This record gives sequence, C-alpha cells and structure tokens, in this order.
Amino acid sequence: GIQVEQSPPDLILQEGANSTLRCNFSDSVNNLQWFHQNPWGQLINLFYIPSGTKQNGRLSATTVATERYSLLYISSSQTTDSGVYFCAVILTGGGNKLTFGTGTQLKVEL
Amino acid sequence: GAVVSQHPSRVICKSGTSVKIECRSLDFQATTMFWYRQFPKQSLMLMATSNEGSKATYEQGVEKDKFLINHASLTLSTLTVTSAHPEDSSFYICSARLAGGARPYEQYFGPGTRLTVT
Repeated sequence: GIQVEQSPPDLILQEGANSTLRCNFSDSVNNLQWFHQNPWGQLINLFYIPSGTKQNGRLSATTVATERYSLLYISSSQTTDSGVYFCAVILTGGGNKLTFGTGTQLKVEL
Repeated sequence: GAVVSQHPSRVICKSGTSVKIECRSLDFQATTMFWYRQFPKQSLMLMATSNEGSKATYEQGVEKDKFLINHASLTLSTLTVTSAHPEDSSFYICSARLAGGARPYEQYFGPGTRLTVT
C-alpha cells in the first residue's frame, strides 16, 4: 500500500521560531490534508491541499503532487502550536480512504 | 461549520461488556463516515468505512463481529465494541465526509473517545 512518511519525527522549538514539516508519499494522490492533533486528541483541519500553496495566518502549506511531497510551514511559533502534526492522503483510485502519515511531534517552549 | 461530535468522550468498562460510541455530524449531512483507532504515540489507523443505509466496509484485520458499525442516518454512525477486552483499550476517532461539498474528499474529525477496558 501507499507509504506516507513525515519528518522530522520530533521537533522542539523556542517560541517565535519558524519550522518546516515534510510529508513524503509513495504514490499519486487525490487529496492531501494537514491536521494538528492537540494534547486532548482532537484533530484540527489545517489545510486541504492536493496541490499548490495555501496560507492561513502563521501557517502555510505547499504540495508538489508530481514530486510526491508536501510541506507545512509554521512561522513565529507559539506554545499553543504544540502537539502532533499529521498529513493524510487519499490514493488516486483509492476511494475515500485517508492514509495517515507517521506524524511530527512538536513542542514549543517559552 | 463542519462540526463532528462523539459521545462519550471517555469510557471505562469491565472486560466482557459491550460499549457503544456515537458519532454525529452536527451541521451537515454525511453520506460516509469513518472509524479510526489510535494507540499511544502512534498514527491513526482506519478501521472501517460506514455508508448511510448500507453495510460497513472493514479494513483487513478488523473483526467485523467485534466492532459493529451502524450508519442509520445521514448524521449518525455508531461503533459498538462487543465483548471488550483490555487489548481493545484505545482512542477511537470518527470522521465524516461532507456530502456534495466543494472538497469531495475532505474529512472532518470528532474529538475522539478514550476507551479503557479493565
């Protein structure tokens, strides 16, 4: 099946720092979403981005579908950004099924 | 918009009993809902896809007789863990796909249910 790998697995930042999270996938996809899972387990939709670039406040994302990767940029990080970031993809021809990546655990410290 | 709720948020039950978890789309209709399981420090794994008015489709390795799924309406799906055992303890999360939305593959997630079987 499709492989979805995220890097880095763990990241510690000082408040105010910037970071880039990467998501590599092994096959052609119809959909790619980025999520933030907060410490209580809630998954928050960040981006629906099968291709192109989007920005929402301090966050932006870019997906290069032809090269099978997506990047999530976090600028001026805050302690509330802590949690786990997941990308998830739907394989082309794979129906509705989301396959989640391995996740990046982010901790933002004062 | 696109809010999904789950109930209960946390449940503790004794081994051998059954537990029902509800997943509701509050402000939209969902023809398709999904059930995931997440173990500590791991990613989400899809258990089954639930379509309104038809039988659920289970992923390989998921016991359909143990994890009963019912999707009786466009806003409600339920997962029943039957004869629960300690190894079923996990975080169960549902999601819903917006019917007829501009983003046909986008899923919205509930807050999850933490199940502990003693």
